[in-house]
Amino acid sequence: AQSVAQPEDQVNVAEGNPLTVKCTYSVSGNPYLFWYVQYPNRGLQFLLKYITGDNLVKGSYGFEAEFNKSQTSFHLKKPSALVSDSALYFCAVRDSSSASKIIFGSGTRLSIRP
Amino acid sequence: DAGVTQSPTHLIKTRGQQVTLRCSPKSGHDTVSWYQQALGQGPQFIFQYYEEEERQRGNFPDRFSGHQFPNYSSELNVNALLLGDSALYLCASSLGRGSYQPQHFGDGTRLSIL
Repeated sequence: AQSVAQPEDQVNVAEGNPLTVKCTYSVSGNPYLFWYVQYPNRGLQFLLKYITGDNLVKGSYGFEAEFNKSQTSFHLKKPSALVSDSALYFCAVRDSSSASKIIFGSGTRLSIRP
Repeated sequence: DAGVTQSPTHLIKTRGQQVTLRCSPKSGHDTVSWYQQALGQGPQFIFQYYEEEERQRGNFPDRFSGHQFPNYSSELNVNALLLGDSALYLCASSLGRGSYQPQHFGDGTRLSIL
């Protein structure tokens, strides 16, 4: 069965420093991976996706993610964090047995201190 | 361009009651998926509607049912409410089932069961 794991419940970073939010996946077949962000009392906003091609994917708000097939990872990164990046981040994978179904991780709370 | 809209934003019910949640997809989208997000967890896939039919279903009991209308809007119905049904219910829309395009989420309906 497909799954994603986010090993860190919370990540704390100082403003201006680089940030990384970790995600590992388990899929049968080709992985189709996504990152979403959720602000308080809001729905999820799409950041970026990996379908195929370049292992470094660039997305919204200066975020990027690195796909690593050998380590089955898809870590979210940003070179310089902003206080406004503080939010809940979800890694997700499309279920290969059902194109309709997206499987989400448990989420990582990112906190950026001024 | 209106995004995904959900109503109501908040709802309080008691055990055993029935509830209907509504969703209007983003303009141009024809597929609607519903997710349940319990507190502190990632969204869990309930089901997806396309061409007015339920196309895929997650691991939810038959108490959860839905409908899609010709204008692509959708309803989620939950019967015989349990305390454990308390959650944020998210609607997501996309163009075409099985698409690699990201789903667009509404801000959700917060359902509280007393």
